[in-house]
Amino acid sequence: EAQVTQNPRYLITVTGKKLTVTCSQNMNHEYMSWYRQDPGLGLRQIYYSMNVEVTDKGDVPEGYKVSRKEKRNFPLILESPSPNQTSLYFCASSTIAGVYEQYFGPGTRLTVT
Amino acid sequence: EDQVTQSPEALRLQEGESSSLNCSYTVSGLRGLFWYRQDPGKGPEFLFTLYSAGEEKEKERLKATLTKKESFLHITAPKPEDSATYLCAVQDYGGSQGNLIFGKGTKLSVKP
Repeated sequence: EAQVTQNPRYLITVTGKKLTVTCSQNMNHEYMSWYRQDPGLGLRQIYYSMNVEVTDKGDVPEGYKVSRKEKRNFPLILESPSPNQTSLYFCASSTIAGVYEQYFGPGTRLTVT
Repeated sequence: EDQVTQSPEALRLQEGESSSLNCSYTVSGLRGLFWYRQDPGKGPEFLFTLYSAGEEKEKERLKATLTKKESFLHITAPKPEDSATYLCAVQDYGGSQGNLIFGKGTKLSVKP
């Protein structure tokens, strides 16, 4: 089954404790992206990757890091999480050629206390 | 200034009552406009892509249209299962190719 998986699905952590949210897709997609979704602010792009070893900042990259060492994986790293990073996070992937039909993961709900 | 504005924020319809959702956008050049559906607690699900003014796409009870300044998602004879949040997103030629800008969405409720 074609899918984007994220782990963990739920995470409660404390300020400053480094964490990684993993994202993996099994569709051989070149493009992957991370978003955060907050009430009243909608879905905002954090980082995206057009292909392996190619990453770019989205609209809200501060406080986040990403890497794309393999085509299927695109982890999101919070080196020193803060309470304002409490949010619902989505990973997505798509082919580059043709339409940008993005497949989204199920989401990771992160709470930073 | 928002580049993508969706209206209304929320819409309540009776089953069978047709209506339209609006997505207005401001970009230097439209590379593409996308509609997604999002159910509570789930990731968005792709519906349509539109590229140029005058283009239309249909899927079951949904029809998306595009002008130079806005897009409409028309819902004909909606059913309760159409209840969801509908998101619009644009890709701007003036921005990076991979950068997508989403609107805040329209929450649709269809009552039986």
